[in-house]
Amino acid sequence: DQQVKQNSPSLSVQEGRISILNCDYTNSMFDYFLWYKKYPAEGPTFLISISSIKDKNEDGRFTVFLNKSAKHLSLHIVPSQPGDSAVYFCAASDTGNQFYFGTGTSLTVIP
Amino acid sequence: DAGITQSPRHKVTETGTPVTLRCHQTENHRYMYWYRQDPGHGLRLIHYSYGVKDTDKGEVSDGYSVSRSKTEDFLLTLESATSSQTSVYFCATQSGNGGNQPQHFGDGTRLSIL
Repeated sequence: DQQVKQNSPSLSVQEGRISILNCDYTNSMFDYFLWYKKYPAEGPTFLISISSIKDKNEDGRFTVFLNKSAKHLSLHIVPSQPGDSAVYFCAASDTGNQFYFGTGTSLTVIP
Repeated sequence: DAGITQSPRHKVTETGTPVTLRCHQTENHRYMYWYRQDPGHGLRLIHYSYGVKDTDKGEVSDGYSVSRSKTEDFLLTLESATSSQTSVYFCATQSGNGGNQPQHFGDGTRLSIL
């Protein structure tokens, strides 16, 4: 059974607006959460992470929010740029090594 | 990324044949991983290694074996390939233990089993 879920397969956003990508998980033991970005024919690349002791982590245009009680995290991209168009995966782990990935959300930023 | 090379990048083979995929890293990372990516499933962990000759199973390990005889190389073997193993395979490395250490991925191997 999928322990990490991304329920929106795709998202389209106008350039300059905010992109919000969502991720839900079922295992309350998960302590580490990461977001990866993937372009076609390439491997995923690390974007941003958060641990369970925090509820927000920010890096430039990217912010990740964690709501442990709801078992929910989200990635905010502000402002969105055409180069952000990619598939975004969230991943979670309780050990820091075995990560469980969501199914991905394909983001399209429209110029 | 992180000097990870996967070979081959593409392979087409027949059911029942053995297949070995290779992952080579130049970063001296301790941990190495093999994932498969399939539509509707995201990336799923097949096997991982936490050191030379030290490996463990992931969530979809049936039908796969791995070996790590050197820090830089991690091999994934399909002893007798089946059509259900048609997928894109990604290798990843991680420098240390801990969720604040992100995994770095290779560019994948697209494997088709006919």
